[in-house]
Amino acid sequence: GDSVTQMEGPVTLSEEAFLTINCTYTATGYPSLFWYVQYPGEGLQLLLKATKADDKGSNKGFEATYRKETTSFHLEKGSVQVSDSAVYFCALHGSGNTGKLIFGQGTTLQVKP
Amino acid sequence: EAGVAQSPRYKIIEKRQSVAFWCNPISGHATLYWYQQILGQGPKLLIQFQNNGVVDDSQLPKDRFSAERLKGVDSTLKIQPAKLEDSAVYLCASSFARGEKLFFGSGTQLSVL
Repeated sequence: GDSVTQMEGPVTLSEEAFLTINCTYTATGYPSLFWYVQYPGEGLQLLLKATKADDKGSNKGFEATYRKETTSFHLEKGSVQVSDSAVYFCALHGSGNTGKLIFGQGTTLQVKP
Repeated sequence: EAGVAQSPRYKIIEKRQSVAFWCNPISGHATLYWYQQILGQGPKLLIQFQNNGVVDDSQLPKDRFSAERLKGVDSTLKIQPAKLEDSAVYLCASSFARGEKLFFGSGTQLSVL
């Protein structure tokens, strides 16, 4: 079945460091891919998405490119801030066209000043 | 616009007791989802509604979990009887239609002792 695998956390970085959070997926066909973010005490929020191969999603300085050949959707940011500390989830639309999301296990990012 | 509302925010019960969670989706959103998020894992879909009909409940433990969405608006999720392994955050999400952006509530954190 469809699944998403993320790199283990926590990831601890200093402010202004470069961030990469790896995400790979297994799916039937070419699903839309997403990154969601969960700030402490808040609900999940959509960070960015890509709907087809080679698409690049971007938002708030974060980017991720849909790589069909490597079935990956790695999240990157050139210079992280303390306010980026959160849990990041990679997700895809499950097969069957129901719109449901299948999530990875989440990666905790902690940015230190 | 008002977001997805969930209550209660926290609930502590003993095993074998019953518990119910409530969700009020964003007005006009036809699709409603209940997810279970166990600590350290990504959210897992329990049930999906389209208006007041069930689209997907393949991962709902039907011997103890039940959900309804009366009149295609509010929804309740019930657990009876609860087990220790039901300790998790229960997230409600809604979208205007299948495949559209999901909006998540803040969740209900359940602890089963």
